[in-house]
Amino acid sequence: DTEVTQTPKHLVMGMTNKKSLKCEQHMGHRAMYWYKQKAKKPPELMFVYSYEKLSINESVPSRFSPECPNSSLLNLHLHALQPEDSALYLCASSQTGTNQETQYFGPGTRLLVL
Amino acid sequence: QKEVEQNSGPLSVPEGAIASLNCTYSDRGSQSFFWYRQYSGKSPELIMSIYSNGDKEDGRFTAQLNKASQYVSLLIRDSQPSDSATYLCAVHGSGNTGKLIFGQGTTLQVKP
Repeated sequence: DTEVTQTPKHLVMGMTNKKSLKCEQHMGHRAMYWYKQKAKKPPELMFVYSYEKLSINESVPSRFSPECPNSSLLNLHLHALQPEDSALYLCASSQTGTNQETQYFGPGTRLLVL
Repeated sequence: QKEVEQNSGPLSVPEGAIASLNCTYSDRGSQSFFWYRQYSGKSPELIMSIYSNGDKEDGRFTAQLNKASQYVSLLIRDSQPSDSATYLCAVHGSGNTGKLIFGQGTTLQVKP
């Protein structure tokens, strides 16, 4: 089963709201990723968790706060976002977070910030 | 110079033809290479991975890697309208961080 699930599928939020995106995988993977993708652009890496520890933060603004409660779950907490943060947010997982591994993507959450 | 470069297209081919998608990368230490397909509004889906020089075939898809030329390509034989999508080339950097670097993607249009 190579499935990564994400909820919600769509999210509309105001600039003062607080919301969370959720990601779950049941492949026994120990690395999970958050990407942001704008229209007609490739995915941009935001965060990497390996063995539930944050291993990469690509200088993402603090209004995005990741959390990895356990090896199967990954959250992205959103607060005081800007309209330019509207994008498709993708979660991915891989075995341990090293090279040579395939990353499997979830279906994404399409976020609109008003 | 971008780390992973692809021609953005669109690349237009007739149904049944061979589509050839190309990608170059700048990090000579890169060891693993991936092709993802992304339909409009959907998430990337893995098509092929390749790690060694030469060709790797899977059904209608063939990935080709030439590390000396820092070049990776994807051939799609007997192209179908359902192959119309954006194809993303992705490369792991030489540091063992698992970080994937994506090209801008090539849009393929297969015309019936």
